[in-house]
Amino acid sequence: KNEVEQSPQNLTAQEGEFITINCSYSVGISALHWLQQHPGGGIVSLFMLSSGKKKHGRLIATINIQEKHSSLHITASHPRDSAVYICAVNFGNEKLTFGTGTRLTIIP
Amino acid sequence: DVKVTQSSRYLVKRTGEKVFLECVQDMDHENMFWYRQDPGLGLRLIYFSYDVKMKEKGDIPEGYSVSREKKERFSLILESASTNQTSMYLCASTGALPYEQYFGPGTRLTVT
Repeated sequence: KNEVEQSPQNLTAQEGEFITINCSYSVGISALHWLQQHPGGGIVSLFMLSSGKKKHGRLIATINIQEKHSSLHITASHPRDSAVYICAVNFGNEKLTFGTGTRLTIIP
Repeated sequence: DVKVTQSSRYLVKRTGEKVFLECVQDMDHENMFWYRQDPGLGLRLIYFSYDVKMKEKGDIPEGYSVSREKKERFSLILESASTNQTSMYLCASTGALPYEQYFGPGTRLTVT
């Protein structure tokens, strides 16, 4: 069965801390996505990866195809980073399979 | 810079009513999706359309139908709304590989 697992489910940290959210999946993929959803807001695509590493500002996403694992890192975290972060995967077609999300809270 | 729009942000309907949720994208994407999002369950695919008039059931199609008469528009229909269909509904679209998805702002539907 094609599955996506995310950890942790909830994460609370102090402003400035380095944040890591993990995602693992069961079988080979064509792409992995990291999505962000602020409270009451829509979903925004942060990264789309099929290999290696991508960086955008304070956000970094990495993927290890052999280990079937991806991480989302946030450096110098800020209260505005508080959101739900969702890992989603294309298992070879257009449809996404979603993780259950990580609720991140950054305390000032 | 608006890419995917949904007809309503908030909607309140009564049990048994027929409900239409509309989604429009301006990126000429072939693929469009309807999801519902519930606390603890994450995002679940209701229906998927890969071309005009073409549709495919997702994981939870029961109680829903869809219509795609034009490429840019994908409608979700609740034939007879029930309280267990109270949820956040999200539309998304994607083109060809690598399938970057664009989401609409969501419709929070309450059925009373």
